[in-house]
Amino acid sequence: GAGVSQSPSNKVTEKGKDVELRCDPISGHTALYWYRQRLGQGLEFLIYFQGNSAPDKSGLPSDRFSAERTGESVSTLTIQRTQQEDSAVYLCASSPLRPLGTDTQYFGPGTRLTVL
Amino acid sequence: AQSVSQHNHHVILSEAASLELGCNYSYGGTVNLFWYVQYPGQHLQLLLKYFSGDPLVKGIKGFEAEFIKSKFSFNLRKPSVQWSDTAEYFCAVNAQGNNRLAFGKGNQVVVIP
Repeated sequence: GAGVSQSPSNKVTEKGKDVELRCDPISGHTALYWYRQRLGQGLEFLIYFQGNSAPDKSGLPSDRFSAERTGESVSTLTIQRTQQEDSAVYLCASSPLRPLGTDTQYFGPGTRLTVL
Repeated sequence: AQSVSQHNHHVILSEAASLELGCNYSYGGTVNLFWYVQYPGQHLQLLLKYFSGDPLVKGIKGFEAEFIKSKFSFNLRKPSVQWSDTAEYFCAVNAQGNNRLAFGKGNQVVVIP
């Protein structure tokens, strides 16, 4: 497709279960980002993949959160032992990676996660 | 780390009124600045960005923003809003050389026909 896609669009899970969220970036985009948006808050950076470099994981809130990316394609964000405070919209973005951080990031529709 | 402040989270105004949304950031180095918009039911998308040159930048749909370095501000303006401008607006900043964005909490703008 032409844009960033994410699946599932909605996920309801029970506290303590693991969840996996998927992101398909725009073809050819080197960089991929995960953000979280809690109700009434701005987007919170989680993790950033830049080509073959080591990912920037500095935004992951705890060791229950992890993410992987295969080459320059699909990424999965995994949350283990979910807690109610993990309820949020998880947004993925991709960009072509221009110099000096001037990239436009293209966002997907998000996955709304609800932890009961 | 950068932080971004947006004030007046909820803004309600009539068509043809002027709009100004404030954005202040805290970071002492060189930054890139962005405004993103999310229309109802749509993805977050770029409205405009600044990284160098003329501090007054123009974006889509008649929006503009002015970077004032001395005030650490990047306020968004539109002289005459339309009903279709109803959306949530987010200011974001990154340090030059670092692609991770820091976002403000957003402004929910409702334009009444």
